[in-house]
Amino acid sequence: DAEITQSPRHKITETGRQVTLACHQTWNHNNMFWYRQDLGHGLRLIHYSYGVQDTNKGEVSDGYSVSRSNTEDLPLTLESAASSQTSVYFCASSEQVAGESEAFFGQGTRLTVV
Amino acid sequence: DQQVKQNSPSLSVQEGRISILNCDYTNSMFDYFLWYKKYPAEGPTFLISISSIKDKNEDGRFTVFLNKSAKHLSLHIVPSQPGDSAVYFCAASVTNTDKLIFGTGTRLQVFP
Repeated sequence: DAEITQSPRHKITETGRQVTLACHQTWNHNNMFWYRQDLGHGLRLIHYSYGVQDTNKGEVSDGYSVSRSNTEDLPLTLESAASSQTSVYFCASSEQVAGESEAFFGQGTRLTVV
Repeated sequence: DQQVKQNSPSLSVQEGRISILNCDYTNSMFDYFLWYKKYPAEGPTFLISISSIKDKNEDGRFTVFLNKSAKHLSLHIVPSQPGDSAVYFCAASVTNTDKLIFGTGTRLQVFP
């Protein structure tokens, strides 16, 4: 079965360190997204990609970067981790269709910055 | 600026009764709306959607209503079951962007 997986599931890092969260999907979807979930804010879009070599900034992109070198993977990098980036991160993918498209989510990565 | 709003952070309903979850949006360009369900320690899962050309979409116990003039949608669950206890997120997108904007979520608790 096709799926979308995130790793690690839990991560503790120190302030100032560079951290990369992995996202891998076997749906062969062109669209991939990264969201963060915080209490009182719901799910907020960090970065997204419509295909290989394409990346775009979302609502809360400061301090984050992504790269898309193949269809299956969209790693999320925190350049210099800050305590404000403690959150649960979700990766999602969707098929590129004109109009109606549902996204499939990974199980999430809980990141703690100390 | 929150483009998609869920003003009720929580809702408690008795098993067998109707659950009504509400969502408001401000961006008139949104033309596709979805509801996701999320259990603790899991990713959100798609529940039901509706296009702006419709005002109702039904799937089993779940019905979504869209009122474009009021920029409001609602999810009805009838009858509610304990397994429906989860956080429900409303999401919206603009055609051809495929980018979903989410609300803040409503925690539904269904008690026996």
